[in-house]
Formats: sequence, C-alpha cells, structure tokens
Amino acid sequence: DAGITQSPRHKVTETGTPVTLRCHQTENHRYMYWYRQDPGHGLRLIHYSYGVKDTDKGEVSDGYSVSRSKTEDFLLTLESATSSQTSVYFCAISVAGNTEAFFGQGTRLTVV
Amino acid sequence: KQEVTQIPAALSVPEGENLVLNCSFTDSAIYNLQWFRQDPGKGLTSLLLIQSSQREQTSGRLNASLDKSSGRSTLYIAASQPGDSATYLCAAYNFNKFYFGSGTKLNVKP
Repeated sequence: DAGITQSPRHKVTETGTPVTLRCHQTENHRYMYWYRQDPGHGLRLIHYSYGVKDTDKGEVSDGYSVSRSKTEDFLLTLESATSSQTSVYFCAISVAGNTEAFFGQGTRLTVV
Repeated sequence: KQEVTQIPAALSVPEGENLVLNCSFTDSAIYNLQWFRQDPGKGLTSLLLIQSSQREQTSGRLNASLDKSSGRSTLYIAASQPGDSATYLCAAYNFNKFYFGSGTKLNVKP
C-alpha cells in the first residue's frame, strides 16, 4: 500500500472529546491529504499539506485541524468530536501535487 | 469548483463481457485524471493515471481514455471477471486537489 500507515484503524469516541488520527508514510512524498468518505457524498477533502509546516484547507475543514512537523507524519485532529464527524477517514500521498496519489487503508471513526 | 460525475452508479454484468465506465468533469483545466478501485471496507487502489497531455493509458485488461475538451474520461475493462467486482472511482486533479466522483459499483456475475 505504497508505505502508508494510518492509526488507529478503528476508534469509538464520545461527543465533545478531542481525537487525533495519524498518517505515516515511508515514501518521502511531499504532498499528503486527508479525506473523509461518507455514503451519498463520496470522498471529500478535509486538509492537505504540500510540505513540512505547509498546509491548506479543503472543502470540509470546519471542526478539523492538521499538523505536519515531519515529512513522514500528517496528523488530523478533531478538536471536539461531533456525531456528524462519524466517517471513514483516508490519508493519501503524492510526490507532487499533480502526480499519482496513493491511499492508506482508512480509519473508521464513530462518535457516540 | 470542479464537479465530477460517474454514470452509472451501479452495473451488473455476466462474466466475460467488455464494459465501459464513464466519468465526466465540469472544469476542463485539469492536470490529470486518475482511476481507482475500492473493495468493501478497504482503501483505494490506483489503477491508471492519465496526464492532461495524454489521450489514454493501458494496464493489462484496463484502458482509460481522456477527452479534456468534452470533460470526459472512460475506463474500459476487457473480458470482465468476478474478481473485478468492486467500486470504481475517478478523480480529476486541479487547484491542488483531487475531486472525486461518487463511483460506479460493479458486480461481475460468474
């Protein structure tokens, strides 16, 4: 799977708690992305990073923050989890912005 | 904003048929278009990437074409097999982002 590891793979959390998802890559790719996948909405971009400490918002960024202090790690934080953030979260990487993207196996998050 | 549409949403065919999956996009200023496969409960597997300067790409029984001027891409699967059953997604890349269609769920019956 192109050297991408997402952790945890499954998580159940309570409304109002902070949650951090981790994406780790061994490919030294510059670009990293966080998507969420929901029935009826497909894959939607949350945030992306084009280098260490360089990040930008996607189309559904409200309630989420990200950090990238090292090339290999991209963290997604739900500041105060809500039931609407129950979803499957995917991390993706690419060498450059317009090159082939590779995806991790996903994290299934349930907010109760 | 880029809008990507995939038709049909679901497709069921007997084994051995050749089939075509369609992807359309509204903004033709894309850098590339990528086709993915997703099995239930799994991540996305990259199948083919077509750069904006290319017309088509081939990998085994798969052939993807791109017509930027008309905003369309097709994925052709030759001699379909039950193992091809999965959801197929296309994604158009521009404005530093991949924009995904909702996918075509393919079922190949033995």
